[in-house]
Amino acid sequence: GENVEQHPSTLSVQEGDSAVIKCTYSDSASNYFPWYKQELGKRPQLIIDIRSNVGEKKDQRIAVTLNKTAKHFSLHITETQPEDSAVYFCAASEGGADGLTFGKGTHLIIQP
Amino acid sequence: EAQVTQNPRYLITVTGKKLTVTCSQNMNHEYMSWYRQDPGLGLRQIYYSMNVEVTDKGDVPEGYKVSRKEKRNFPLILESPSPNQTSLYFCATRSAKVVYQETQYFGPGTRLLVL
Repeated sequence: GENVEQHPSTLSVQEGDSAVIKCTYSDSASNYFPWYKQELGKRPQLIIDIRSNVGEKKDQRIAVTLNKTAKHFSLHITETQPEDSAVYFCAASEGGADGLTFGKGTHLIIQP
Repeated sequence: EAQVTQNPRYLITVTGKKLTVTCSQNMNHEYMSWYRQDPGLGLRQIYYSMNVEVTDKGDVPEGYKVSRKEKRNFPLILESPSPNQTSLYFCATRSAKVVYQETQYFGPGTRLLVL
């Protein structure tokens, strides 16, 4: 089955700087790659996703890039703000009946 | 308003006492699933269902049962809970009508402590 590795497990950045979280996946058939943000005590919420026919997608301060050849994808957050502090999870799926396979999460800390 | 609800939100129980965590959605989604979240391990899928009366095992199904008698409900059953099932549980749903994966929505979570 699919295996998703996520790095780093903890990331601390100064407010206003950029943050990058990286994930690798093992199953070349995976074609859907969402990113979820989970604030303390809350449910995971989708923040951005990308499908395998696209190399990059942006939504305001967040962007995701996908390299299918290398089987890795990354989340980029620019101009970080205190409200970006949370745990971020990447995931991968083949679609159809398959569920999402999640990475173990990255705790992003924004230092004032 | 699109909603996924879970009950109870918090539960403390003792080893061996059967319990059920309910999950309900109002989005007419075909696909429903259960995850458990443990520190350092991320979210791991327990069971999923593609539609009524269709269920299948995820990555960590041992010690759990599910049923899907109605489209909107997908209860998680722990017949004989053990302390290693202490965890945060999330129900999730999505549409399964298209070929590609659709957005998955999570319920608010159920925090379970088994003594």
